[in-house]
Amino acid sequence: QLQLQESGPGLVKPSETLSLTCTVSGGSISSSSYYWGWIRQPPGKGLEWIGSIYYSGSTYYNPSLKSRVTISVDTSKNQFSLKLSSVTAADTAVYYCARHSLTGTTLGWGQGTLVTVSS
Amino acid sequence: DIQMTQSPSTLSASVGDRVTITCRASQSISSWLAWYQQKPGKAPKLLIYKASSLESGVPSRFSGSGSGTEFTLTISSLQPDDFATYYCQQYNSWGWTFGQGTKVEIK
Repeated sequence: QLQLQESGPGLVKPSETLSLTCTVSGGSISSSSYYWGWIRQPPGKGLEWIGSIYYSGSTYYNPSLKSRVTISVDTSKNQFSLKLSSVTAADTAVYYCARHSLTGTTLGWGQGTLVTVSS
Repeated sequence: DIQMTQSPSTLSASVGDRVTITCRASQSISSWLAWYQQKPGKAPKLLIYKASSLESGVPSRFSGSGSGTEFTLTISSLQPDDFATYYCQQYNSWGWTFGQGTKVEIK
C-alpha cells in the first residue's frame, strides 16, 4: 500500500525558508496516474492547498502563495519537496504531503508534520 | 480564486439523526467537488468525489449531491464514528480550494 511520510525541521525562524520532503513508499512517484502535492492546516483552522507536481516536473501553485513556493520532485529517491520562503508566524501549520488523482481529489495523505515559525 | 462556503460551521446531532451539510461555490464548478472527513490529530479521508461518487470502502450512509454551485453531503443515520469535521473541496481548475469545515458534534 502506497504511503507518504513528511520530514523536515519542526521549527523555522521568521524570514527564513521552510523546507520539507515527502518520501513515497510502496509505489513509484513516477506513476503517470497521480499528482503529488502539499496541503497545510494552521492549528484549529481549515485546509489550504499549497501546490502540486507531476512526476515530469510540471508544477501548479496556489496563487496566494505562488511567489514564495517551490515544489520539486526527485524520482531517483522517490521523493518530492516543498520550499516556502520568507515565512512568518502565519505559516505555522501542520503540513501534509498528499497523492492526488489526475482530476484533483486527494487520495492519500501523509501523517502531517507541525512546522512552527518562531524566533 | 473560487471560494467555497460551507454551512453550518457547527452542527449538533444525535446518533441516528439524518445530517445534511451544504457547500456553495462562488462560481460554477460543474461536479468537480469532493468531501473529506477529518478526525482530531488525523489527516482527512476522502468520502465522496465528483459530487456524488462514493469512495471505495466508505459506508453507504454517506451520500453527496449537487452540481454547479450548490452541493450537499448527507449522512442518512449518524453513527458514533461520524462525529468529526467535514470539508468540501473544489477541483474544477488549478487553484483548488476547500470550504472552512463543518464540525459535527454530539448533541
